[in-house]
Amino acid sequence: GQQVMQIPQYQHVQEGEDFTTYCNSSTTLSNIQWYKQRPGGHPVFLIQLVKSGEVKKQKRLTFQFGEAKKNSSLHITATQTTDVGTYFCAGGSSASKIIFGSGTRLSIRP
Amino acid sequence: EADIYQTPRYLVIGTGKKITLECSQTMGHDKMYWYQQDPGMELHLIHYSYGVNSTEKGDLSSESTVSRIRTEHFPLTLESARPSHTSQYLCAIPRQGISIFNSPLHFGNGTRLTVT
Repeated sequence: GQQVMQIPQYQHVQEGEDFTTYCNSSTTLSNIQWYKQRPGGHPVFLIQLVKSGEVKKQKRLTFQFGEAKKNSSLHITATQTTDVGTYFCAGGSSASKIIFGSGTRLSIRP
Repeated sequence: EADIYQTPRYLVIGTGKKITLECSQTMGHDKMYWYQQDPGMELHLIHYSYGVNSTEKGDLSSESTVSRIRTEHFPLTLESARPSHTSQYLCAIPRQGISIFNSPLHFGNGTRLTVT
């Protein structure tokens, strides 16, 4: 079945350093979504990308969708302690389901 | 933002008990979803519904069952809880105002279930 892989599984950075997580699908996606889950919380939607090669920015966060619509990335510039959490990508499939990646847990040294 | 409510927030129960996790929404969405998530791990779709009297199993096999008798409610039931059912159960609906194919999801606060 369709799989969405995400790397790295964990990332520990110094505050102020950049952070990137990558998402790869075994099949072409209709869209890619990104969520953030704070420790003890529930996933919260960040953004959705639909078009091939699309790039969107939210302040220090930059999201990209690959040309083949099979991969995506989230880049955070100059991390802050408020960025701590697990970041999930989720791919929309042709079967009208949303398949979540395994997530990247970001921790930050103050 | 869409309103979705899950109860209880936390539940500790003994093996063999029957439990029902409640999920309700006020927006009249046809689509509702149940995800299971172990701490720090990925989310697995276990059930979904596209409307009243419509329920489907998700990608992860689950011993739980669901019902959709009313649009507002999508309860999940475990007939006989076991320690292997210990997990977080998250209910979700499409985000308000986005009525597209594979719409992003709005999650409830979840139920953290512990079976002893």
